[in-house]
Amino acid sequence: DAGVIQSPRHEVTEMGQEVTLRCKPISGHNSLFWYRQTMMRGLELLIYFNNNVPIDDSGMPEDRFSAKMPNASFSTLKIQPSEPRDSAVYFCASSSPGLAGAGELFFGEGSRLTVL
Amino acid sequence: SQKIEQNSEALNIQEGKTATLTCNYTNYSPAYLQWYRQDPGRGPVFLLLIRENEKEKRKERLKVTFDTTLKQSLFHITASQPADSATYLCAPSYSSASKIIFGSGTRLSIRP
Repeated sequence: DAGVIQSPRHEVTEMGQEVTLRCKPISGHNSLFWYRQTMMRGLELLIYFNNNVPIDDSGMPEDRFSAKMPNASFSTLKIQPSEPRDSAVYFCASSSPGLAGAGELFFGEGSRLTVL
Repeated sequence: SQKIEQNSEALNIQEGKTATLTCNYTNYSPAYLQWYRQDPGRGPVFLLLIRENEKEKRKERLKVTFDTTLKQSLFHITASQPADSATYLCAPSYSSASKIIFGSGTRLSIRP
């Protein structure tokens, strides 16, 4: 299994531009999580989906952030317009609660976003 | 609000000794608690999960305890090695399908 795949790995953009981060979860996993990590705030949960349905988006910082999961094998996190304070590493993780693994998360390698 | 606290300072341990990391939580009654390892530039990697009805869990040189009365989990690495140097994160959750929030992590350094 290829694991959780995120793209792009690195993104440098200018303030005001739209940014789209992509995630392909592990096949068969039915939960997907988006996290943001910075030195100051650590690993923050932004939103998570169960069976493609957003369950809790209380961590999404503001209306500039949106996330979708149109099918079981793809999710996007969009920032529009982007701001310098959005600079961080964004992680996607998937899990399969209910099986023997009992919900442990499998993380992608992250997308490092720099907004100038 | 829910709060998760881990050793705020980095932990420096001599090789061969036991490293003990602490995870305290408040305003929370998790049914599960997970521990992850994160290396620089990489995503966190799952290590162990312990359930509320389990007092202790072991995996090779790793041991996790879960005290629901003290609202605390301890993570032990015995016979520590320089390769164990990393940041370790704890993550309590209510159920296997619920939101998983992480503590701030403890950076562990094992010196030869």
